[in-house]
Amino acid sequence: AQSVAQPEDQVNVAEGNPLTVKCTYSVSGNPYLFWYVQYPNRGLQFLLKYITGDNLVKGSYGFEAEFNKSQTSFHLKKPSALVSDSALYFCAVRSSGGSYIPTFGRGTSLIVHP
Amino acid sequence: GAVVSQHPSWVICKSGTSVKIECRSLDFQATTMFWYRQFPKQSLMLMATSNEGSKATYEQGVEKDKFLINHASLTLSTLTVTSAHPEDSSFYICSAQSTGSGNQPQHFGDGTRLSIL
Repeated sequence: AQSVAQPEDQVNVAEGNPLTVKCTYSVSGNPYLFWYVQYPNRGLQFLLKYITGDNLVKGSYGFEAEFNKSQTSFHLKKPSALVSDSALYFCAVRSSGGSYIPTFGRGTSLIVHP
Repeated sequence: GAVVSQHPSWVICKSGTSVKIECRSLDFQATTMFWYRQFPKQSLMLMATSNEGSKATYEQGVEKDKFLINHASLTLSTLTVTSAHPEDSSFYICSAQSTGSGNQPQHFGDGTRLSIL
């Protein structure tokens, strides 16, 4: 079985400060990891993914994530937050050798204060 | 590229009505489409997975006679909420995945806000 944990329901950060949204996972075999963002009344938009290779993955809108195999984590980061980054963020995992159906975390609401 | 169009974006109807939601992949062929339901401030709940030309696979607890899914072509899947009731009111989101894309992200539609009076 595969699972994803996003331990924080909400993250608050001041504009211009760095942000981190946490994600840990459990999967059999090698993981495929994804981050998505959802704005109000919209579907999810893909931000970035880790499949293999460099542990630091860069994605859209200045976001990046670091894959840490020993800690089974894939935290989302951005060096300098914008008010417009305020949204709901979802981490997802899929096993490279198992089900093609991904498992999503419960989501983390990011609020960036001016 | 990889655009998924979902219609309608918003629908209000009376209890007992059936509502059809369409999900189209505009610039790629979607072997697999997923249907999710999302309650306010909550995560996505996978309802069913549909593969083109075959019956949908429903998650446990989802009534297949209530939520009819058809994936008749590689670019279109539909979800029909039959005899809708107020408790069916929710935000429904579809996503699509192309052939042989095990390491590719899903592409999501913009969702349908369904309100049953």
